[in-house]
Amino acid sequence: QKEVEQDPGPLSVPEGAIVSLNCTYSNSAFQYFMWYRQYSRKGPELLMYTYSSGNKEDGRFTAQVDKSSKYISLFIRDSQPSDSATYLCAMEDAGNNRKLIWGLGTSLAVNP
Amino acid sequence: NAGVTQTPKFQVLKTGQSMTLQCAQDMNHEYMSWYRQDPGMGLRLIHYSVGAGITDQGEVPNGYNVSRSTTEDFPLRLLSAAPSQTSVYFCASSSYGRLPGYTFGSGTRLTVV
Repeated sequence: QKEVEQDPGPLSVPEGAIVSLNCTYSNSAFQYFMWYRQYSRKGPELLMYTYSSGNKEDGRFTAQVDKSSKYISLFIRDSQPSDSATYLCAMEDAGNNRKLIWGLGTSLAVNP
Repeated sequence: NAGVTQTPKFQVLKTGQSMTLQCAQDMNHEYMSWYRQDPGMGLRLIHYSVGAGITDQGEVPNGYNVSRSTTEDFPLRLLSAAPSQTSVYFCASSSYGRLPGYTFGSGTRLTVV
């Protein structure tokens, strides 16, 4: 079993829909939880990060961490065609030299 | 601010050839790493460095060498290219004293024929 599990999709939604992307993990030592967005033929870029449990909101994006269930989510409200990308979750054990454990990524297409 | 710069963007090699993928960052980041990304396999760590003169292996190091003589540069050397090394390679950097997360380069698409 991988340390981080992420459904690769693909996920296809109409413009304006609410999108929910999820990852599960097994290592309770993870402290930082991140979401990266990767456009086609580009490098991943950090979208949001959360430390420990709780919610974090940034515009149309909300990141949630539930450490008791070992489950993280990224919600996208009012999705736009420009949100079409692959979304990768990543997690860091604060004591492990900045090494990240990655999900496989979920491919999202937002259709006009 | 250039961030992380990777060169070349594209490369075709013949089996057995060697080459060096270049990575440079101008953010004074201590941590640098190399990943390969393949369909269905996600991002896999090849080698990483926590500072100048210090390198270590990731999960898929075979066939690759690295060195870190300066804070800014972290080249990746393919010793004898094989078709299995056809992939997209990303360099990433991070700073210990600041916010978490990596800054990625734009990638090198390598094909070994």
